[in-house]
Amino acid sequence: AQSVTQLDSHVSVSEGTPVLLRCNYSSSYSPSLFWYVQHPNKGLQLLLKYTSAATLVKGINGFEAEFKKSETSFHLTKPSAHMSDAAEYFCVVSMTGGGNKLTFGTGTQLKVEL
Amino acid sequence: DAGVIQSPRHEVTEMGQEVTLRCKPISGHNSLFWYRQTMMRGLELLIYFNNNVPIDDSGMPEDRFSAKMPNASFSTLKIQPSEPRDSAVYFCASTLRGGQETQYFGPGTRLLVL
Repeated sequence: AQSVTQLDSHVSVSEGTPVLLRCNYSSSYSPSLFWYVQHPNKGLQLLLKYTSAATLVKGINGFEAEFKKSETSFHLTKPSAHMSDAAEYFCVVSMTGGGNKLTFGTGTQLKVEL
Repeated sequence: DAGVIQSPRHEVTEMGQEVTLRCKPISGHNSLFWYRQTMMRGLELLIYFNNNVPIDDSGMPEDRFSAKMPNASFSTLKIQPSEPRDSAVYFCASTLRGGQETQYFGPGTRLLVL
């Protein structure tokens, strides 16, 4: 079985400060991990993905995430938040051999304040 | 590429009516997924197809829901009869091949059942 836990339902940061969105996963096999972003009234857009290559993954819009097997974590970071980053972020796990079935976290709402 | 196309974008209907949601996956993709998003339950996988064949429909809530994929470029999700608790945003996603390929999401259909 696979699961993913997003540790914060809401995160609030000031524009220009770092962003940290936390995610822990559980998987019996080698997982693939993704971060998706959803802006209000929009579909989900892929930010980045990890598929057993480099453990530090760079995505779009300056986001990156580090896969830490020992901590079963895949936290999303960005050095400097922008107002346009305000959205909901989903951590997602896909299990090798799982037929491409994704398991979504409950989401973290990121608020960026001036 | 036009991306995943969903129609209608918004649907308002009365309880008991039949609702049909439509999806056109990205050309060349051979896996298609239907998701439902609500505030209470987050994102849930309803059903997915590989090469037009339903692989896992364990997420379909009940017999009122049915999904078809008559060809590689079209899928429908039907609710008959609809109920107020079906109100949600329904997303379609497609991916190339299997494994851990990225899923590309459509903009969603916002359904309101009165």
